[in-house]
Amino acid sequence: QSALTQPASVSGSPGQSISISCTGTSSDVGSYNRVSWYQQHPGKAPKLMIYEGSKRPSGVSNRFSGSKSGNTASLTISGLQAEDEADYYCCSYAGTGIWVFGGGTKLTVL
Amino acid sequence: QVQLQESGPGLVKPSETLSLTCTVSDGSISNYFWSWIRQPAGKGLDWIGRIYSSGSTNYNPSLKSRVTMSVDTSNNQFSLKLSSMTAADTAVYYCARGSGSRTGEAFDIWGQGTMVTVSS
Repeated sequence: QSALTQPASVSGSPGQSISISCTGTSSDVGSYNRVSWYQQHPGKAPKLMIYEGSKRPSGVSNRFSGSKSGNTASLTISGLQAEDEADYYCCSYAGTGIWVFGGGTKLTVL
Repeated sequence: QVQLQESGPGLVKPSETLSLTCTVSDGSISNYFWSWIRQPAGKGLDWIGRIYSSGSTNYNPSLKSRVTMSVDTSNNQFSLKLSSMTAADTAVYYCARGSGSRTGEAFDIWGQGTMVTVSS
């Protein structure tokens, strides 16, 4: 299984919206509704932000949303805030009990 | 709220076997998948494998030949053994819970991570 493809970095100004893409294949993202997104601040453990492609766990801001089309999933953050600056990782089920992460995207809030 | 805590040596010699344990507190280890995930410094997350509370396992194909996971339900712990360690295995190692089939088995709870360095 190869890592999912994410842009290395994205940036946006406070209040703006940004999207992070996560491209896989028909063997992972395209086949299963099990894409999740994680936020990681420096020196901290990752935090689940989106599961099953578009669902938010309790306590996660509704500024975070997810979607999927074909082999590509996306995370959108609206109304950017300084605290959103972090690394973001997508993850997908790839069948037979295997999971694969994306390479990660560094979000900079300008 | 369930909490996870990794424990194990911070330094391992090349060619030796790494042994880590994750202790589950304030909750039961039963009826969930439990994963190990690692992150080399400055790099992305790498899923190592998972174990169900019954003991069934799935491993990353790229690490399968070197990985063994086990579970101790009586002590609410699960463990990772990674053999033939090299410098490339130097990373922060996290344990994490799979959230359950109703929520897509996402990794909803994580330990704080433990740094493992491979050096002689």
